[in-house]
Amino acid sequence: DIQMTQSPSTLSASVGDRVTITCRASQSISYWLAWYQQKPGKAPKFLIYDVSSLESGVPSRFSGSGSGTEFTLTISSLQPDDFATYYCQQFITYPRTFGQGTKVEIK
Amino acid sequence: EVQLLESGGGLVHPGGSLRLSCAASGFTFSTYAMNWVRQAPGKGLEWVSVISGSGGSTYYTDSVKGRFTISRDNSKNTLYLQMNSLRAEDTAVYYCAGGPVAYFQHWGQGTLVTVSS
Repeated sequence: DIQMTQSPSTLSASVGDRVTITCRASQSISYWLAWYQQKPGKAPKFLIYDVSSLESGVPSRFSGSGSGTEFTLTISSLQPDDFATYYCQQFITYPRTFGQGTKVEIK
Repeated sequence: EVQLLESGGGLVHPGGSLRLSCAASGFTFSTYAMNWVRQAPGKGLEWVSVISGSGGSTYYTDSVKGRFTISRDNSKNTLYLQMNSLRAEDTAVYYCAGGPVAYFQHWGQGTLVTVSS
C-alpha cells in the first residue's frame, strides 16, 4: 500500500497568514493527488484534484503543487472559514489511501 | 444538484451484520464509480471500498475483505454496503462518495455505525 504522510499534524495560525501543508507519498503517485477540507461533524469537501486543479467554487487563495512523492497545499491568506482539518489522498492505486490529516487551528 | 444520502447505520453487537444504503440523485448514477469511506471517532479518513459504474469491478481495503460487500442497483440509484462479522474497530461514520472520474467530488452526510456489546 502507498503511505501518505502529512506534516504538520497540527498548525496554529492567524487570519491573514500564509499556510502550507505538506503531503509525502511512500512512492511516486505522479499527479494523482487530491485535497479535502473537513469541518467538525461534517463530510469532507473536495478542494483540489490532479495536484493543482481547483474544484469549481473553491476560493483562489487555495493552491496545490508538487509531483512524484512530495506535494503541498497552500492557503495564501487564511480566512476564518478555513479553520478545519485537511487531508490529501492518492488515486494512482488501490487502496485509495489518505494522509492522517492536518488540523489548522486558530493561534 | 448532486445529493447522496446514507442510511442504515445504528448499534450492532460484535459479530452482527448491517446493511448501509446510499441514495443518489442529481446525476446519472451509472456513470459514477462509488466508494465507501469511514471515519472512526476522532480519527482520520479511511477508504473502505469502491464499485465501478456498471458494478462489474469492486475493490476493498484489506481489513474488510471477506466481511463487507459493496453493491449497487443502478435502476434504483442506490449504493449498498453489506457488513458482516462486525468488530468494534468497524465503529465509524460511513460516508458514500464518488464523482465522474476517480476523485471523490461528492460526499453524503454520513451514517454512524457503532459496534458494541
